[in-house]
Amino acid sequence: DAEITQSPRHKITETGRQVTLACHQTWNHNNMFWYRQDLGHGLRLIHYSYGVQDTNKGEVSDGYSVSRSNTEDLPLTLESAASSQTSVYFCASSESGRNEQFFGPGTRLTVL
Amino acid sequence: DAKTTQPTSMDCAEGRAANLPCNHSTISGNEYVYWYRQIHSQGPQYIIHGLKNNETNEMASLIITEDRKSSTLILPHATLRDTAVYYCIVRVKGRGSNYKLTFGKGTLLTVNP
Repeated sequence: DAEITQSPRHKITETGRQVTLACHQTWNHNNMFWYRQDLGHGLRLIHYSYGVQDTNKGEVSDGYSVSRSNTEDLPLTLESAASSQTSVYFCASSESGRNEQFFGPGTRLTVL
Repeated sequence: DAKTTQPTSMDCAEGRAANLPCNHSTISGNEYVYWYRQIHSQGPQYIIHGLKNNETNEMASLIITEDRKSSTLILPHATLRDTAVYYCIVRVKGRGSNYKLTFGKGTLLTVNP
C-alpha cells in the first residue's frame, strides 16, 4: 500500500548541530508539506513544495530549509538547531487538484 | 485567508451525534471548508470538505449555511475513538490547482462512555 513515512520518529540533538528529518511518500503526490506542532499552538506550516525543484516558505520558515530533488522525498534541514525548535514535526502530501492532505506519523525532536 | 472560530472544547456521549460548529464569516466565494481531526500523538486525518452544498461520507456529514458564514461537522454516532482535536480550515488557494492549509487550534471533542 502507498504510504508516507517519516524518520527518525524520535531524535535528540544538541544546540548548534545540523539535523535532517526525512519524509518519503509513495503516492507520487506532487505536493508536500512540513508542519511543526507545539503545545498551545495548532499545526504551523514551515515549508512546502508543489513539485520537483519547487520550494516555498511557510509561516515559520526561519532556521529551516528544504529541497525537492525527486517526487517522493522532501527532507527538512535545521542548519543549526536551537532549543526553540524542540517540537513534533509532521510531513504531509497531497495530489495536485485534490483537497486531502495525508500526514505522516510525526517526528519528535528535542534540542538540548 | 478566511479566519475560522471554533469552540475550544466539547463533550459528547458515546452513541450520540456530535455536532461541531465553525464560524468563517469572512469566507470568500471560491474558498472551501475542510475538516480534519487529530487523535492524540498521531498525524492529522482528513475528514470531509465542501463548498456550499451539504456533504456526507463514511465518516461524517458537513452542513454549510446558505450564506456560507458557518458550518457544522456532524459525527452521527460518536464512539470513544472519535475523541480528538477537530480542525475547521478554510482553504487558501495556492498556485494553479494546488493548495496549502492553515490550521487553527481546533476543538477538542471528548466522547464520554
